[in-house]
Amino acid sequence: EADIYQTPRYLVIGTGKKITLECSQTMGHDKMYWYQQDPGMELHLIHYSYGVNSTEKGDLSSESTVSRIRTEHFPLTLESARPSHTSQYLCASSVGTSGRTGELFFGEGSRLTVL
Amino acid sequence: AQKITQTQPGMFVQEKEAVTLDCTYDTSDQSYGLFWYKQPSSGEMIFLIYQGSYDEQNATEGRYSLNFQKARKSANLVISASQLGDSAMYFCAMREGRAGGFKTIFGAGTRLFVKA
Repeated sequence: EADIYQTPRYLVIGTGKKITLECSQTMGHDKMYWYQQDPGMELHLIHYSYGVNSTEKGDLSSESTVSRIRTEHFPLTLESARPSHTSQYLCASSVGTSGRTGELFFGEGSRLTVL
Repeated sequence: AQKITQTQPGMFVQEKEAVTLDCTYDTSDQSYGLFWYKQPSSGEMIFLIYQGSYDEQNATEGRYSLNFQKARKSANLVISASQLGDSAMYFCAMREGRAGGFKTIFGAGTRLFVKA
């Protein structure tokens, strides 16, 4: 069983609020990722990190930001939430990027609704 | 250009029968990995099977097998002896090589319905 945790699981918030979605893993994985997924749709990579103090933007442009100060922690922040940010955000980690080590271990997701 | 293509938005299969979910991909890397994940209605993502680009044999994991045709750039998932619990979304994913920054990208998914 994967040990990657996301909080909150569900969040309903008003426009303009600042939010932080938390993601923590206890597996010691260097690689961590944030994906955005609308219900029943494909996953889009929005941020990733290959180690402490290293973050990169993914293929889908996002107004969110991330930080990686500790190996186990990879929070995602939206400074001013808008209805267009309504989606599910999935955090994942992997041992590496080559071969089977690229297998992604996912958290349960944070479902965000911005009113 | 879409790099992972799953052309079947929805599929139906009778319980205990086999089903094939299609996946084609596009990459200029020689080294890459192909994954299939299952997402039940509860929302979690579950790893099913992995195939490396240099693996000569098709991968198998229990009732799951991957029909890997490198020249055609296809990596179809075969589920044998379908069970009601197999009803879910299935995503094909590719871990790109150096040219793609070693990122993992996903297809649009196929929703599988298993009928009793």
